[in-house]
This record gives sequence, C-alpha cells and structure tokens, in this order.
Amino acid sequence: GIQVEQSPPDLILQEGANSTLRCNFSDSVNNLQWFHQNPWGQLINLFYIPSGTKQNGRLSATTVATERYSLLYISSSQTTDSGVYFCAVSSGAGSYQLTFGKGTKLSVIP
Amino acid sequence: GAVVSQHPSRVICKSGTSVKIECRSLDFQATTMFWYRQFPKQSLMLMATSNEGSKATYEQGVEKDKFLINHASLTLSTLTVTSAHPEDSSFYICSATGLASSYEQYFGPGTRLTVT
Repeated sequence: GIQVEQSPPDLILQEGANSTLRCNFSDSVNNLQWFHQNPWGQLINLFYIPSGTKQNGRLSATTVATERYSLLYISSSQTTDSGVYFCAVSSGAGSYQLTFGKGTKLSVIP
Repeated sequence: GAVVSQHPSRVICKSGTSVKIECRSLDFQATTMFWYRQFPKQSLMLMATSNEGSKATYEQGVEKDKFLINHASLTLSTLTVTSAHPEDSSFYICSATGLASSYEQYFGPGTRLTVT
C-alpha cells in the first residue's frame, strides 16, 4: 500500500512564528487531506488538496503531485494552533480509503 | 455543510459486554462510511469500509465478528464492539464521503471507549 511520511514529528514554536510541515507519499494520489486534531480528539478538516495550492487565513497548503509531496504552511502561529497535524492520502481509481501519516505534533508557546 | 456526528462521545463498559457506536451524516447522504481506531499518541488506522446496503469490508487483522458494522441507511452507520475486553479500549472515529465528484472525507468527533 501507499506510504505516507510526515516531518518533522515534533515542532515547538514561539507564538507569532511561521512553520512548514511536510508530507511525502509513495504513489500517485486521488485525495490528500490535511487535518488538525485538537486536544479532544476531533479531526478538523484543513484542506482537501490532491494537487495545487490553497489558502485559508493563516494557513496555506501546496501539493506537488508529480513530486509526491505536500506542504502545510502556518503563519503567525497562535497557541490555539497547538495539536497534531495529520496528512492522509488515498490512491487508486475509485479508492476512498485514507492512509494517514504519523502526524506532526505542534506546540506553540506564548 | 458536511457535518458528521458520533454518539456516544465517551463510554465505559465492563469486560464481556457489547457497545454500539453510532455515526451519522447530518447534512449529506454518505454513500461510504469508514471506521478508524486510534491508540494514544498514535495515528489513525482504518478498520473497515462500509457502503450503504452492503456488507462492510474489513482491513487485514480486524476481526469482523468482534467489530460488527451496519450501514443500513445513507445517513447512519453503526459499529458494535462485541464481548469487549480491556485491549479494545481506544478512540474510535468514523468518517463519511458521498459528495459528488469528491473523494474528501468528513470526520466525526470520535468515541472514547474504556473497557474495565
């Protein structure tokens, strides 16, 4: 099956700093989603981005499908951005099953 | 739009009993629903895929007789953990897809199961 690697595994930021999270995948994808898992476990959909670039407020994401990676940018980080960020992909025509990376744990300190 | 709910959010049960978890798509018809399991400080692992009106497809290593999945309508899927044991304690999360021309999945808030 498809392999998903996220880096870095842990990240500590000072409030106001910017960061880039990376997701590498081993095969072509029909779906790539970025999630933020809050302390209560809820997965928040950040981006559905199998290719291209999207922006939503302080967050943006870019997927370069031909090179099999995606980047999540967080600008002007806030303490509420803390949590685990997951990248998940699905591959193959008609296949919806998502494979998750191991996540990046982000801690934003005041 | 695209809201998925789960009930209950937290449940404690005794070893040997069965527990049912409901997953509902509130504002769309979910042709496919998924059940995931997450252990502490780990990632999500897909347990099974269910399509409305048909039998669920289980991932390798997941006991279908232990984790019963029913997807009787386009808005409801249930996961029943039968004869629960302490090792079944985990965070169970469902997701749903069904919006036209999209593979995007929408996730429920999760159910934390503790078996004593």
